[in-house]
Amino acid sequence: GPKVLQIPSHQIIDMGQMVTLNCDPVSNHLYFYWYKQILGQQMEFLVNFYNGKVMEKSKLFKDQFSVERPDGSYFTLKIQPTALEDSAVYFCASSSAGQDTQYFGPGTRLLVL
Amino acid sequence: QQKVQQSPESLIVPEGGMASLNCTSSDRNVDYFWWYRQHSGKSPKMLMSIFSNGEKEEGRFTVHLNKASLHTSLHIRDSQPSDSALYLCAASIGPSGSWQLIFGSGTQLTVMP
Repeated sequence: GPKVLQIPSHQIIDMGQMVTLNCDPVSNHLYFYWYKQILGQQMEFLVNFYNGKVMEKSKLFKDQFSVERPDGSYFTLKIQPTALEDSAVYFCASSSAGQDTQYFGPGTRLLVL
Repeated sequence: QQKVQQSPESLIVPEGGMASLNCTSSDRNVDYFWWYRQHSGKSPKMLMSIFSNGEKEEGRFTVHLNKASLHTSLHIRDSQPSDSALYLCAASIGPSGSWQLIFGSGTQLTVMP
């Protein structure tokens, strides 16, 4: 099936540093999403992105978070500065239209020390 | 208050048996329900979606939806050990919403050989 790629698969950084999580969505998809899953807890929506703009962000999407997708490149989630509570698995997803299936990438496991 | 509630939290069925999972939303704006399966350490994979009242069957999987009660259920017949995973129910709102997936806490299914 359609594949979403995420780079890196794991990242360990010190609190206060900046981190960029990269997502390569399915090629013809137009809607992009980030979700956060803390170990053993619920998957939670962070933000979605369409036509170069943020559509909606949740209360988890703090001011330290930003997303962008420069033309033809990765859909990125940047956290600057990071905090201990940012440790989680971050999943990127994409869909061809809003009502279509969201395909998830394998996740980036972020550990903030 | 969680907008998507799943039950039971965990379920054990024998190989070849029927597994029945439940999900209810408290948000009357929900348009679509999705069932994802997540094996340990992996990304969620969409199994089935439903937005109309009634039933939909694909192979061993059947999903029901009652829009009046915003209740959906997933039934897996002839369960296999490979079906052992976390089953996530998600709801989405659109087009008036932003199509974000609101996940429940999941049902951990174990199929005993």
